[in-house]
Amino acid sequence: ETGVTQSPTHLIKTRGQQVTLRCSSQSGHNTVSWYQQALGQGPQFIFQYYREEENGRGNFPPRFSGLQFPNYSSELNVNALELDDSALYLCASSPRDRYGYTFGSGTRLTVV
Amino acid sequence: DQQVKQNSPSLSVQEGRISILNCDYTNSMFDYFLWYKKYPAEGPTFLISISSIKDKNEDGRFTVFLNKSAKHLSLHIVPSQPGDSAVYFCAAIGNSGGSNYKLTFGKGTLLTVNP
Repeated sequence: ETGVTQSPTHLIKTRGQQVTLRCSSQSGHNTVSWYQQALGQGPQFIFQYYREEENGRGNFPPRFSGLQFPNYSSELNVNALELDDSALYLCASSPRDRYGYTFGSGTRLTVV
Repeated sequence: DQQVKQNSPSLSVQEGRISILNCDYTNSMFDYFLWYKKYPAEGPTFLISISSIKDKNEDGRFTVFLNKSAKHLSLHIVPSQPGDSAVYFCAAIGNSGGSNYKLTFGKGTLLTVNP
């Protein structure tokens, strides 16, 4: 059974650019959530996808968007990058119940 | 507004002793609580959880206690081992009536277990 895999592991972007982060969910998990963890903070919920539709969103602006594919993998897209977007982005997959969250190792995004 | 609070940024204990990590919450809609452990360069790993209908859950060296009236939970690790050194996050889930099962995390507590 494979876990949650995220790519890339590290990324450096320039302010104003766009970025796409990718996540492959754990086998059997049909729900994917994305979290942003800034330095010294706990992970903050960005949004969740179920059956290829957004199923809830945290307090993030519309320039944060996502997709879920039929194989339950997911992408997080961030447009018009700002310096404050520098953070660890975590993907978590789960079965439809709410107890089985499995996190990936994250993508470390640095915006310069 | 921090709905889940871990007021101790760090905790240092001796190997073999008890580690107690604390967490407070403000949202009465939270009905399920989880503890995650995180090593550097890794994602959070699930440790133990508790439903609001219980006041204690135990799994090996780890026990979580929930005091609903005080909106407080704690994680006890006995005995502590050097491999337990990590950041521990408290997280909560609330059933908002929809299908959004987001986790709300605290800021974490860095536990250091000294040999």
